[in-house]
Amino acid sequence: AQSVTQPDIHITVSEGASLELRCNYSYGATPYLFWYVQSPGQGLQLLLKYFSGDTLVQGIKGFEAEFKRSQSSFNLRKPSVHWSDAAEYFCAVDPYGGGANNLFFGTGTRLTVIP
Amino acid sequence: ETGVTQTPRHLVMGMTNKKSLKCEQHLGHNAMYWYKQSAKKPLELMFVYNFKEQTENNSVPSRFSPECPNSSHLFLHLHTLQPEDSALYLCASSQDRRTGNTIYFGEGSWLTVV
Repeated sequence: AQSVTQPDIHITVSEGASLELRCNYSYGATPYLFWYVQSPGQGLQLLLKYFSGDTLVQGIKGFEAEFKRSQSSFNLRKPSVHWSDAAEYFCAVDPYGGGANNLFFGTGTRLTVIP
Repeated sequence: ETGVTQTPRHLVMGMTNKKSLKCEQHLGHNAMYWYKQSAKKPLELMFVYNFKEQTENNSVPSRFSPECPNSSHLFLHLHTLQPEDSALYLCASSQDRRTGNTIYFGEGSWLTVV
């Protein structure tokens, strides 16, 4: 079955440490890829998106993500985590590209930041 | 401040009640969405409206009834819900349904069915 997988349910990192959140998808074509963040009690905010071109994309709040076609992955990274980054992170995929805006989401990774 | 506003933020209702969730977007968008977010499950797309016309209904039970009177407002009417319908309901909007248009989410309405 086609899916979006975020293998890490919960990650804890120290403030100032680097972060990598994993996302894999199982759609045949090259999809459009997104990362969203959800702070407690808030809606989802778009961090970054990849459609084509340079496989390393920059987003807001110092985040970046790298698309690796061979691994069907779109991992999110940040070199130095801040306490305000504690939130839930969702990877999303539009598998059809060029069609309607249909996003399929992963189950999310909850990030805890410790002082 | 979000461009997509949802009310109420929290709702507790009995299984025989009728209630509605409201969403308003101030972004001039033409597409609006309802998503359901349950614990440990991916966000589920429920309904999509594009230029006030419903374009998708992802096998949602009839106890959920959407209404889109204009491009800025979207409602989700609720009746005879079940406890398993308790979840966070997220409204979202985008410029239109074309791929690549960023989807903007509201803060959600927490629904508890008792």
